Amino acid sequence: GENVEQHPSTLSVQEGDSAVIKCTHSDSASNYFPWYKQELGKGPQLIIDIRSNVGEKKDQRIAVTLNKTAKHFSLHITETQPEDSAVYFCAAQEGGNTNAGKSTFGDGTTLTVKP
Amino acid sequence: NAGVTQTPKFQVLKTGQSMTLQCAQDMNHEYMSWYRQDPGMGLRLIHYSVGAGITDQGEVPNGYNVSRSTTEDFPLRLLSAAPSQTSVYFCASSYADISYEQYFGPGTRLTVT
Repeated sequence: GENVEQHPSTLSVQEGDSAVIKCTHSDSASNYFPWYKQELGKGPQLIIDIRSNVGEKKDQRIAVTLNKTAKHFSLHITETQPEDSAVYFCAAQEGGNTNAGKSTFGDGTTLTVKP
Repeated sequence: NAGVTQTPKFQVLKTGQSMTLQCAQDMNHEYMSWYRQDPGMGLRLIHYSVGAGITDQGEVPNGYNVSRSTTEDFPLRLLSAAPSQTSVYFCASSYADISYEQYFGPGTRLTVT
């Protein structure tokens, strides 16, 4: 089955700096890679996702890159703000409708943005 | 829309007790899933359903049962609670189309003593 490794486990940056979180997955059948943000006491919320036929996707201050061959994907947050402080999870999912509810998650990165 | 709702928010059980965690969604999503989240770990899939009447096991199904009699509801049953089941449980739902985005509920924090 799929295995997802996520690094680092904790990340502390100054407000305005960039933050990068990296993930590696093992199953070449996975072709959907979502990133979730989880605030304290809440459920995860999708912030950006990428499919294997795309190398990069950007949404304002957030970008995700995917190296399909190396099975690496990364989350980049620029101009960080204190409200970006949260736990971030990467995930991998095999394509096809029968796999729509079956994501394999990394262990999470606790991001702290210092004012 | 209320989205994905879960009840209760908190629960304490004694070893051997049984209970049902409730999950409901009002977005007419075909797919629903249950995950557990343990400290320092990501979410692990317990059971999932691709539609009413259809369920299947995820990564960590032992000790849990599910059923899906309606599109809206997907309860998770603990048959005989064990301390190893102390965790935060999240229910999620998604459409059966190209979007794949999962919508998560607020979670149920369960402690088994």
